[in-house]
Amino acid sequence: AQSVAQPEDQVNVAEGNPLTVKCTYSVSGNPYLFWYVQYPNRGLQFLLKYITGDNLVKGSYGFEAEFNKSQTSFHLKKPSALVSDSALYFCAVRDMNTDKLIFGTGTRLQVFP
Amino acid sequence: DVKVTQSSRYLVKRTGEKVFLECVQDMDHENMFWYRQDPGLGLRLIYFSYDVKMKEKGDIPEGYSVSREKKERFSLILESASTNQTSMYLCASSLYGGSNEQFFGPGTRLTVL
Repeated sequence: AQSVAQPEDQVNVAEGNPLTVKCTYSVSGNPYLFWYVQYPNRGLQFLLKYITGDNLVKGSYGFEAEFNKSQTSFHLKKPSALVSDSALYFCAVRDMNTDKLIFGTGTRLQVFP
Repeated sequence: DVKVTQSSRYLVKRTGEKVFLECVQDMDHENMFWYRQDPGLGLRLIYFSYDVKMKEKGDIPEGYSVSREKKERFSLILESASTNQTSMYLCASSLYGGSNEQFFGPGTRLTVL
């Protein structure tokens, strides 16, 4: 069965430090992978996606993600965290038979001043 | 910019009432989706639609139905609301094709008393 896991419920980081939000996936075939961010009382906003090509994908707000096929991971990263990055982050993988997305349970990122 | 709008941000209903949640997108997207979001469970797909008058069950369709009479509008119906349907409901749309990201509305927080 296809699935995605976000092993950390919460990640805490000091402002200015690098951040990583982890995501692993399980699919048959080549995955399409997505990251979304949700600010309080808002819908989800698309950050970036991996479809094919370069393993390092750059997205909105200075975020990037690294696709690692051997480790079946797609971790979200940012070199220098901002307090305004504090939000809920979701990883998702496309269902290989449809256009549906399978979402992880989310990771709350807290950036402290 | 893609815009996905939902008819209400907050809604309070009583057990047994029929509830309609409306979603409209303005970018001529073929796909539309309804999710519910609950803490610790991430996003779970209720129903989706690839075209007008077409619908497919998601992971948790029980207690819900949908209607798509026009391409831009996708309605979620709770035939007889129950307290366990208290949740955040998110609508999304996308172009047809699995590499395309979904665009989300702001969400409707439904409370069933």
